Amino acid sequence: RKEVEQDPGPFNVPEGATVAFNCTYSNSASQSFFWYRQDCRKEPKLLMSVYSSGNEDGRFTAQLNRASQYISLLIRDSKLSDSATYLCAVNPGTNAGKSTFGDGTTLTVKP
Amino acid sequence: SAVISQKPSRDICQRGTSLTIQCQVDSQVTMMFWYRQQPGQSLTLIATANQGSEATYESGFVIDKFPISRPNLTFSTLTVSNMSPEDSSIYLCSVVDSGRGTDTQYFGPGTRLTVL
Repeated sequence: RKEVEQDPGPFNVPEGATVAFNCTYSNSASQSFFWYRQDCRKEPKLLMSVYSSGNEDGRFTAQLNRASQYISLLIRDSKLSDSATYLCAVNPGTNAGKSTFGDGTTLTVKP
Repeated sequence: SAVISQKPSRDICQRGTSLTIQCQVDSQVTMMFWYRQQPGQSLTLIATANQGSEATYESGFVIDKFPISRPNLTFSTLTVSNMSPEDSSIYLCSVVDSGRGTDTQYFGPGTRLTVL
């Protein structure tokens, strides 16, 4: 079993739709969680960190479920510009350094 | 967040040659990493670049093939040695910014390598 697993998709949705991605992790001691966005032929860029209480940034909402060991990303009112690959990352925390990344979920938003 | 630059941005190399990729960060960072991302795949960690000591390599990666230097807290190099077409990939430098109390990772723009 991979340490971090994502549904690879692709997710094809119309503009304005709400779409949700899940990411499961196997290390119950993980402390820090992130969602990254990667555009085609570009480097991954941090989209948002995921906090225990859940957090929202505009149309994006991230949640953490420690009991079931998954994180989620919800995108509301999808825009064409949201088309990208979304990577989840899990880190043991406490200056442990490197995160473990999922394989990514590809989202295509269509007019 | 840290600003990371990489050189070269891309290169096309012949089989059997070596290429050294440079990574420069605009601030001192404790942890630097080198990743590879092959077409259509996710990130694979090659090694952690340790300042003043030998790099720590992940399973499947060895120093002879991917020698790494890190002479200070803002700079690192990765060499891809004796290249073969299977080494064609994007190589990404990454740093951890613990300044805000979370282990947030940032990536350089990557070096796109094609081996003929």
